[in-house]
Amino acid sequence: SAVISQKPSRDICQRGTSLTIQCQVDSQVTMMFWYRQQPGQSLTLIATANQGSEATYESGFVIDKFPISRPNLTFSTLTVSNMSPEDSSIYLCSVVLPSSYEQYFGPGTRLTVT
Amino acid sequence: GDSVTQMEGPVTLSEEAFLTINCTYTATGYPSLFWYVQYPGEGLQLLLKATKADDKGSNKGFEATYRKETTSFHLEKGSVQVSDSAVYFCALRDNTNAGKSTFGDGTTLTVKP
Repeated sequence: SAVISQKPSRDICQRGTSLTIQCQVDSQVTMMFWYRQQPGQSLTLIATANQGSEATYESGFVIDKFPISRPNLTFSTLTVSNMSPEDSSIYLCSVVLPSSYEQYFGPGTRLTVT
Repeated sequence: GDSVTQMEGPVTLSEEAFLTINCTYTATGYPSLFWYVQYPGEGLQLLLKATKADDKGSNKGFEATYRKETTSFHLEKGSVQVSDSAVYFCALRDNTNAGKSTFGDGTTLTVKP
């Protein structure tokens, strides 16, 4: 299994500011994923973050808005830039363990933009 | 592209009732199938999985069988409890496409005593 922690767990931010979310995993993993879960909705993949390479963004998400860092095999950050109220959501970090192919999720960061 | 269609909710049952949440999928490859559960105020937890056709995943009294002929992975439990109240997500992961997962919209289950 994998234990994932995220910081902060929640935040209230003002429009136009940026927030960086940290994700720490207790084991080394190749691929990490960032998802968004808007209130009452399903999960939407933002990007895949592989260590040592540029993140791969899904349609509708761009690097300028959601820059991602992946400095090593246990850590990643997602920044939500120039926030607007539409960015209010839960942001989830996730990993897939190659040994079991199971996917694990962090507890999420609940972001409210006012 | 890949997609997952879940039974629309919300679903309300009495304790000890039988539960079925339907899930069907479309995929171009050979996906693994999963059910995740999200309890109120918590993150997603893997409930069960099946990695190939005819596999049955089971956990905590929940079961789901990977049916390739009907492209389905319905979740069942014989007797639900109040503590099963949560949102349930069906998901697939295409094992040939960088491990990306596709999620259904989620089904909210409320179990009343």
